[in-house]
Amino acid sequence: GDSVTQMEGPVTLSEEAFLTINCTYTATGYPSLFWYVQYPGEGLQLLLKATKADDKGSNKGFEATYRKETTSFHLEKGSVQVSDSAVYFCALGSNYQLIWGAGTKLIIKP
Amino acid sequence: GAGVSQSPSNKVTEKGKDVELRCDPISGHTALYWYRQSLGQGLEFLIYFQGNSAPDKSGLPSDRFSAERTGGSVSTLTIQRTQQEDSAVYLCASSYQGSPATNEKLFFGSGTQLSVL
Repeated sequence: GDSVTQMEGPVTLSEEAFLTINCTYTATGYPSLFWYVQYPGEGLQLLLKATKADDKGSNKGFEATYRKETTSFHLEKGSVQVSDSAVYFCALGSNYQLIWGAGTKLIIKP
Repeated sequence: GAGVSQSPSNKVTEKGKDVELRCDPISGHTALYWYRQSLGQGLEFLIYFQGNSAPDKSGLPSDRFSAERTGGSVSTLTIQRTQQEDSAVYLCASSYQGSPATNEKLFFGSGTQLSVL
């Protein structure tokens, strides 16, 4: 069945560092792909999404490109801030469901 | 309301007691989901509603868990005879049609933190 594998955390970086959080998936067909973020004390919210191969989703300085050839949707940001500290979830849309990765906790130190 | 509302935000109960968790989705959203998030873990799917019916309840861990939705709106998740392993954050989400495969996003509530002593 469909599945999502995500980089294990926690990931600890200094402010202004470059961020990559890896996400790969297994799916039949070409699902929509999503990154959701959960800030401390808040609910999950959509960060960005992509619907087809080579699409790039972007929001708040974060980017992820839908790579069909490597079945990946890695999350990147060029310069992280302390306020980016959160848990990040990769997910794929499968019919009425979202198939979730395990989440990656990101800690940014000033 | 403007977002998905869950209540209570925190619930502490004794082992063996029953609990009810409530979710009030965004008005007009036909799809409603319940998830469970244990400490440091990902999201575990519990049940999906489309309107008042539940076409997929495959994620409910045992027959102690049940959920209903009335009027195509509010949903309650009931856990009977709670056990310590039920301790987790229970998240509710809603979406307009229930089709994330076609790019639709889910809107999440802030969750109910359940602690079973």
